[in-house]
Amino acid sequence: GAGVSQTPSNKVTEKGKYVELRCDPISGHTALYWYRQSLGQGPEFLIYFQGTGAADDSGLPNDRFFAVRPEGSVSTLKIQRTERGDSAVYLCASSLIPQGNTEAFFGQGTRLTVV
Amino acid sequence: QKEVEQDPGPLSVPEGAIVSLNCTYSNSAFQYFMWYRQYSRKGPELLMYTYSSGNKEDGRFTAQVDKSSKYISLFIRDSQPSDSATYLCATYTDKLIFGTGTRLQVFP
Repeated sequence: GAGVSQTPSNKVTEKGKYVELRCDPISGHTALYWYRQSLGQGPEFLIYFQGTGAADDSGLPNDRFFAVRPEGSVSTLKIQRTERGDSAVYLCASSLIPQGNTEAFFGQGTRLTVV
Repeated sequence: QKEVEQDPGPLSVPEGAIVSLNCTYSNSAFQYFMWYRQYSRKGPELLMYTYSSGNKEDGRFTAQVDKSSKYISLFIRDSQPSDSATYLCATYTDKLIFGTGTRLQVFP
């Protein structure tokens, strides 16, 4: 497809389990962003990739969260030992280049529920 | 203090009304300002983009930035039920920084 694709669209997991969330950006987009959105809040920045490297991971809340983008395209957000507070919609966005006048396109998100 | 503050709403207006959505920001170095629209269970989509101060108009939508007061506004004229969504203001450094969003309901 032409847009940003996120899988799965919904994920229910038990507290303490490990989860992986996948993002397929728009082809050719070098910048990739992960955000987390809680109910009634705006998206909160987690991490940003330029190519294969994490250019800014200052938003990752703790060391249970990790993200990779090994070939500069698909990215995976990994959460270890999930907690109920991790429940949120995880959004991925990509842009052609990381610049303020370049549109970032969002996927529909993965709705994570930790029970 | 959050970097971008947004009136939380929610707002409920009749069809045809003029809607005003507002945000303030804290860092005078911010140069890029955006408005995103987010429908329920969808990702945000870019609605308007403004660089530095001034106005930008696109159909029924006008985005306004006043850098002297660090104030961002979005005006919607002749609002339609299809405008019902959450509107997110944002600025950009090396990443997008969002406000909390204002939920708008336009009823027929």
